[in-house]
Amino acid sequence: AQKITQTQPGMFVQEKEAVTLDCTYDTSDPSYGLFWYKQPSSGEMIFLIYQGSYDQQNATEGRYSLNFQKARKSANLVISASQLGDSAMYFCAMKDTGGFKTIFGAGTRLFVKA
Amino acid sequence: GAVVSQHPSRVICKSGTSVKIECRSLDFQATTMFWYRQFPKQSLMLMATSNEGSKATYEQGVEKDKFLINHASLTLSTLTVTSAHPEDSSFYICSARIIQGANTEAFFGQGTRLTVV
Repeated sequence: AQKITQTQPGMFVQEKEAVTLDCTYDTSDPSYGLFWYKQPSSGEMIFLIYQGSYDQQNATEGRYSLNFQKARKSANLVISASQLGDSAMYFCAMKDTGGFKTIFGAGTRLFVKA
Repeated sequence: GAVVSQHPSRVICKSGTSVKIECRSLDFQATTMFWYRQFPKQSLMLMATSNEGSKATYEQGVEKDKFLINHASLTLSTLTVTSAHPEDSSFYICSARIIQGANTEAFFGQGTRLTVV
């Protein structure tokens, strides 16, 4: 069975500093995709970044980068130059082999301090 | 990017009544949509996969007669919470997937906060 684990229920970071949100996963499928979503207090889910299991390079999207370590089955999200607007819940997710169902981790709440 | 619109964003209903939530893909066709439920401070729990023109696939433990899903067109899926009770109060959110090569990006609606009184 596939599983996503986020062990940090809450994280604090100083504005303008970088922060890493941890995510480990478990799957026996060789082909899979990993996602990170941001959920502000309004509830909407905002797609941030995607990493495919066969991608050779770590994904980057603006201030977001994904530290993909396949052997360790980890897909940590790095947010550089944190902003106050980054305060939100962050979910790591994985799609299954069929590419349809998405499994979500428990989430990490990020607090950015001024 | 693609847009998924969910309506209503917030609804309060009386116990025993039914509530319908709509999920629309505005600028793309979505043969498959997903319905999630999220309790406060918890993760998203997949309730069912909605397939256009066929019956929805429910996750284990989700009552199909309680949560009716209809995916009548390529741009609209509806979730009806029948005979709602206070324990059905929750945040419901839908998503639709665009399949582009290996990157099947999912787009989410804004969510619906249901309160049953």
